[in-house]
Amino acid sequence: GAVVSQHPSWVICKSGTSVKIECRSLDFQATTMFWYRQFPKQSLMLMATSNEGSKATYEQGVEKDKFLINHASLTLSTLTVTSAHPEDSSFYICSATDRDRSYNEQFFGPGTRLTVL
Amino acid sequence: DAKTTQPNSMESNEEEPVHLPCNHSTISGTDYIHWYRQLPSQGPEYVIHGLTSNVNNRMASLAIAEDRKSSTLILHRATLRDAAVYYCILTTAGNNRKLIWGLGTSLAVNP
Repeated sequence: GAVVSQHPSWVICKSGTSVKIECRSLDFQATTMFWYRQFPKQSLMLMATSNEGSKATYEQGVEKDKFLINHASLTLSTLTVTSAHPEDSSFYICSATDRDRSYNEQFFGPGTRLTVL
Repeated sequence: DAKTTQPNSMESNEEEPVHLPCNHSTISGTDYIHWYRQLPSQGPEYVIHGLTSNVNNRMASLAIAEDRKSSTLILHRATLRDAAVYYCILTTAGNNRKLIWGLGTSLAVNP
C-alpha cells in the first residue's frame, strides 16, 4: 500500500511553454502533498507544501506564480511550471502523507524529469 | 530543524552488514530521527524512523545513542539493490512535518 504515482515520468518542452505534472496517491487519501526539486548530484529541495482544498505554502525563494500548485482532491495534486526555461530543467518529485496513518511518513512518487530546451 | 551530519560516501561488500552513521548533536527532545534512501533516478523511499528506542523493521535496524546525539542505520546484509543515497533527517512531532534534506551518504555495494 501507500503508492504514489507521477505523470509524466519525463517531459521535454520548448522554452516558454508550460508543463503540468500530476501527483496521485493511488491507494490512500493524502492529507498533505509536498513538491520537491532535485538538480543533478544535489539533494532534494522542498518547493512547497499543499493541503487539499487550500493554497499551497511555498518555501522561501520559490516563485508561486511560476510554480502553480493545485491540490483539488485528497488523491491528486498538480504542479504547473509556467513559462519554463532551461534553468527549470530538473527532477521534480512529489510526496504525500496518509491521512489514516498516525505517523506522518512521506510516500514518494517516482519523480518527473523535466528538460527545457 | 536540527542539522544532521553524515559521511559523504561509504562502501560495503555484498552480504556484509553496513553501519551508516549520523550525528545530530543539536537534536531536541521532540525530534524524530528518520532515514530515507534514494536509488538512482528514483524518488526517495522511507527506511525507518525512531525517537528514543532502537527500532527494527524488514529493511533495517536503527540504533539510537542513549543521549540521542547520534544514530546508526544498520543494513544487516547488504545487497546490490541497497546501493543508494541514504538520508538521515530530523523532524519534530506533529502533522505535516517538513523534511529538510542534506546530502546524505552515498553507499556503494561491491559484488
